[in-house]
Amino acid sequence: ETGVTQTPRHLVMGMTNKKSLKCEQHLGHNAMYWYKQSAKKPLELMFVYNFKEQTENNSVPSRFSPECPNSSHLFLHLHTLQPEDSALYLCASSEKLAEYNEQFFGPGTRLTVL
Amino acid sequence: QKEVEQNSGPLSVPEGAIASLNCTYSDRVSQSFFWYRQYSGKSPELIMSIYSNGDKEDGRFTAQLNKASQYVSLLIRDSQPSDSATYLCAVNGGITGTYKYIFGTGTRLKVLA
Repeated sequence: ETGVTQTPRHLVMGMTNKKSLKCEQHLGHNAMYWYKQSAKKPLELMFVYNFKEQTENNSVPSRFSPECPNSSHLFLHLHTLQPEDSALYLCASSEKLAEYNEQFFGPGTRLTVL
Repeated sequence: QKEVEQNSGPLSVPEGAIASLNCTYSDRVSQSFFWYRQYSGKSPELIMSIYSNGDKEDGRFTAQLNKASQYVSLLIRDSQPSDSATYLCAVNGGITGTYKYIFGTGTRLKVLA
């Protein structure tokens, strides 16, 4: 167990639904990340938060809306998703934003959009 | 050109052999390099990080970095069937931003019993 938890672990939603993914880290880290992992593609960075402030939005469509109320919690709000958004969504954390920092991943949420 | 390139495999090695996984990267100013292991249906798990040229050993794992050749590798000694997984190379600290990891697509390793 890496100290990063994610809920739910599996989610099936229709294109008109609204749902949220939750991430919590128990490592005392200050930076948190959302990644998307699709089959046959490298991990794609979506958002970066540092001390609960967003520092990176990697050209993510607005149907994905992140929220970081504090350094330990990160949410990804989903609405009007498309079938191509089906993927594994991974949360990660690191002690700080720096070159020499190790990121630790949560177990992920497997999302299926019907 | 892909920013971080890995052979997708599968790389098949017999149990007890040395598995050699390779990764090349395009951003010459990259500073830090990471290897993750990902079992099917699971999330990536950090194996090692390496920041300086040369070798770094941790148990059965050895990471090797050659910044001049823009090449990083992972050796797994005495490979076990439980090492069968996809190994992801990640590179950080290049001109794209000091906190932005760029991942390769991973190499699938199969250790044959």
